[in-house]
Amino acid sequence: EDQVTQSPEALRLQEGESSSLNCSYTVSGLRGLFWYRQDPGKGPEFLFTLYSAGEEKEKERLKATLTKKESFLHITAPKPEDSATYLCAVTGYALNFGKGTSLLVTP
Amino acid sequence: ETGVTQSPTHLIKTRGQQVTLRCSSQSGHNTVSWYQQALGQGPQFIFQYYREEENGRGNFPPRFSGLQFPNYSSELNVNALELDDSALYLCASSLGTSSDTQYFGPGTRLTVL
Repeated sequence: EDQVTQSPEALRLQEGESSSLNCSYTVSGLRGLFWYRQDPGKGPEFLFTLYSAGEEKEKERLKATLTKKESFLHITAPKPEDSATYLCAVTGYALNFGKGTSLLVTP
Repeated sequence: ETGVTQSPTHLIKTRGQQVTLRCSSQSGHNTVSWYQQALGQGPQFIFQYYREEENGRGNFPPRFSGLQFPNYSSELNVNALELDDSALYLCASSLGTSSDTQYFGPGTRLTVL
């Protein structure tokens, strides 16, 4: 059975304090790993898709990496507007989401 | 290019009632997936429609049903509402199935009293 575990559950950072979020997964036949950002009460906003181990993608202060067992979302010099829940999902068939990491960036 | 839209935004129902939620897919997308997101949890897959046919279903009872129309918009119907059905219902559209990126709508917040 596909399983996605995200850690930590919650993270509080000072503005400018870089960190990483982790997504560990088990899936039979990975077809893609996805990162989404979700603001309270809203739908998830697509960030990245990674398909194979070693792949990396960047967007502004965010960088996603993928290995055979986990993915990291690195946040460099975060700003308060980066505060959100970050969701990781894998697809072997349908999207299978983790519970997310709730990130709070304080000024 | 129009993104994924959902209606209504919020809905309040009582236990035992029936509800229909609607979704318009992003232009050019032929696949729609529905998810249920309880507070503090990640979205859970309900089912997916591809070119008007159900293309897979998660662990949800038959009282959750759906439709996809020729213009690829979709409906989610839930019969005999239960208190635990209170959640954010998300619709996502994509160009194809499995590995294609899914783009989400803003969701419908359903409260069952």
